Amino acid sequence: AQSVTQLDSHVSVSEGTPVLLRCNYSSSYSPSLFWYVQHPNKGLQLLLKYTSAATLVKGINGFEAEFKKSETSFHLTKPSAHMSDAAEYFCVVSGRGFKTIFGAGTRLFVKA
Amino acid sequence: EAEVAQSPRYKITEKSQAVAFWCDPISGHATLYWYRQILGQGPELLVQFQDESVVDDSQLPKDRFSAERLKGVDSTLKIQPAELGDSAMYLCASSFLPAAAPDTQYFGPGTRLTVL
Repeated sequence: AQSVTQLDSHVSVSEGTPVLLRCNYSSSYSPSLFWYVQHPNKGLQLLLKYTSAATLVKGINGFEAEFKKSETSFHLTKPSAHMSDAAEYFCVVSGRGFKTIFGAGTRLFVKA
Repeated sequence: EAEVAQSPRYKITEKSQAVAFWCDPISGHATLYWYRQILGQGPELLVQFQDESVVDDSQLPKDRFSAERLKGVDSTLKIQPAELGDSAMYLCASSFLPAAAPDTQYFGPGTRLTVL
């Protein structure tokens, strides 16, 4: 069975400080992993994806994530938060032969 | 840039009524998805099509929900009769690769359903 757990429902950071959004997954097979962002009143947008190539994946807007098989994790990071990063972030697991599963989401707050 | 289109953007209905949502995926995309997103939760996959065929509808409440993609292009999701618990955002997404290959999904703006 496949599942995904986002360890924090809310994360609050100050502008200019690092961002860490945590995601653990469970999969019987080699998974594909994604991070999507949802801004208020806007559609879901892909940030980055891992599909069995390089374990460190770089995405848009300075975000990156590292696939760690031994820890079954795919945490999202950014060195310096910007006010425009405030949004809901979803970790997603998928793969050949099984359906897409979204995590519950992490709301990121950025303080000035 | 091509986008996934959905209509209507908002729908208010009374319980026991029928509602229908429409989705037009990005041209050339083989796979189409319908999700339901309850406020404060992540999207839940309801049904997945490859071309005109259903690949997965295991989470679709088939007693009241139906979905079709007759010509393998646009799609309709129907609820009949609507219940109070169906109030949610209904999202449509499409991806280029066939359903068996995990691929970037492109999402439409969604339809916000309120059942009174």
